[in-house]
Amino acid sequence: DGGITQSPKYLFRKEGQNVTLSCEQNLNHDAMYWYRQDPGQGLRLIYYSQIVNDFQKGDIAEGYSVSREKKESFPLTVTSAQKNPTAFYLCASSIGRGNYEQYFGPGTRLTVT
Amino acid sequence: LAKTTQPISMDSYEGQEVNITCSHNNIATNDYITWYQQFPSQGPRFIIQGYKTKVTNEVASLFIPADRKSSTLSLPRVSLSDTAVYYCLVGDPDSGGGADGLTFGKGTHLIIQP
Repeated sequence: DGGITQSPKYLFRKEGQNVTLSCEQNLNHDAMYWYRQDPGQGLRLIYYSQIVNDFQKGDIAEGYSVSREKKESFPLTVTSAQKNPTAFYLCASSIGRGNYEQYFGPGTRLTVT
Repeated sequence: LAKTTQPISMDSYEGQEVNITCSHNNIATNDYITWYQQFPSQGPRFIIQGYKTKVTNEVASLFIPADRKSSTLSLPRVSLSDTAVYYCLVGDPDSGGGADGLTFGKGTHLIIQP
């Protein structure tokens, strides 16, 4: 089955700790994205990558970091510098850059206390 | 970057046709219009994409007038399971490497009643 997976589904961390969210796709897509969603809000773009070893900041990149060492994987690290990290994090992929159809993972709900 | 405006919420009943309109007055020549559906605690799901006139698939239709300053997502004969948030996005698929078309606003919360 082709698709995009995120793990874990729920994640709990103490304030001040870095945490890495996993995102893997086997769709052979070039582009991958990370979004954040807060309750009752739309999705906000954190980072995106169009090819391996390249990524760009989205609208709210501060306090986050990413890597794209493999086409299939695009992990997101939420650092201690992120002031309000508790949120629903969504990873997506698409064939190419820009406004192509995006396939989303099931999301990771991060709670930091 | 074209911005979009959608109603915050809409109500309808099972079996009705629902039309959700999105305004995008500053749409550029190369921009496409894309709609997504999102259920609570899930990632959005692609519904339909179009450039002009009308596009139809097994789930919905997308109507785009000649001036392309708005678009209407039409859901035929809705059911309770169509209760969800619907997002309208506008952007250029070949934007030269930018994040064009990747802005999800607050969307329209569609509530279907029995």
